[in-house]
Amino acid sequence: GNSVTQMEGPVTLSEEAFLTINCTYTATGYPSLFWYVQYPGEGLQLLLKATKADDKGSNKGFEATYRKETTSFHLEKGSVQVSDSAVYFCALRTQGGSEKLVFGKGTKLTVNP
Amino acid sequence: DTAVSQTPKYLVTQMGNDKSIKCEQNLGHDTMYWYKQDSKKFLKIMFSYNNKELIINETVPNRFSPKSPDKAHLNLHINSLELGDSAVYFCASSQNRDTNQPQHFGDGTRLSIL
Repeated sequence: GNSVTQMEGPVTLSEEAFLTINCTYTATGYPSLFWYVQYPGEGLQLLLKATKADDKGSNKGFEATYRKETTSFHLEKGSVQVSDSAVYFCALRTQGGSEKLVFGKGTKLTVNP
Repeated sequence: DTAVSQTPKYLVTQMGNDKSIKCEQNLGHDTMYWYKQDSKKFLKIMFSYNNKELIINETVPNRFSPKSPDKAHLNLHINSLELGDSAVYFCASSQNRDTNQPQHFGDGTRLSIL
């Protein structure tokens, strides 16, 4: 079946540090890939997406590249801020009419000043 | 204006009761969803509706019954609540069923069973 594996948290960084959150997937066909962010007490917000191999999604300084050869979609940011503290979810949706998002388990990021 | 709104935000009730959670989206989307997030933050799809028609039912106990009176609303009714139902329930919507369409989430309903 389809699944998403992301690095276990929590991740704690100092402000301005470099961030990588690893995400790999298993899917039939060619999925669309997403990163969602959940700030404390809030719902999920789409952070970025990529719909085909080698696409790069980017938003708010975050980037992720769809790597078909390694089935990965790692999230990166060059310089994190305290306001980036949240839980980050990697997710996929597969082609062929499967509407549901399959989520990874989430990675909690805490950025200290 | 809130795009996907769910009510109530918090719901505390006794085991065995019946409760409903409402969801409305003002985005003009065709497809709506219910997700459950457990205490470890793991998110799992429960149901999906497209234009009021049920398209996904993910092995959810039949105590859970979704209802979509129109494509802007998807409500969730839960009968005979159990301790294991304690979770945060998220409603979401997307433009349509295309897999490259992102889903927009509500702020969640935190259900606590005493």
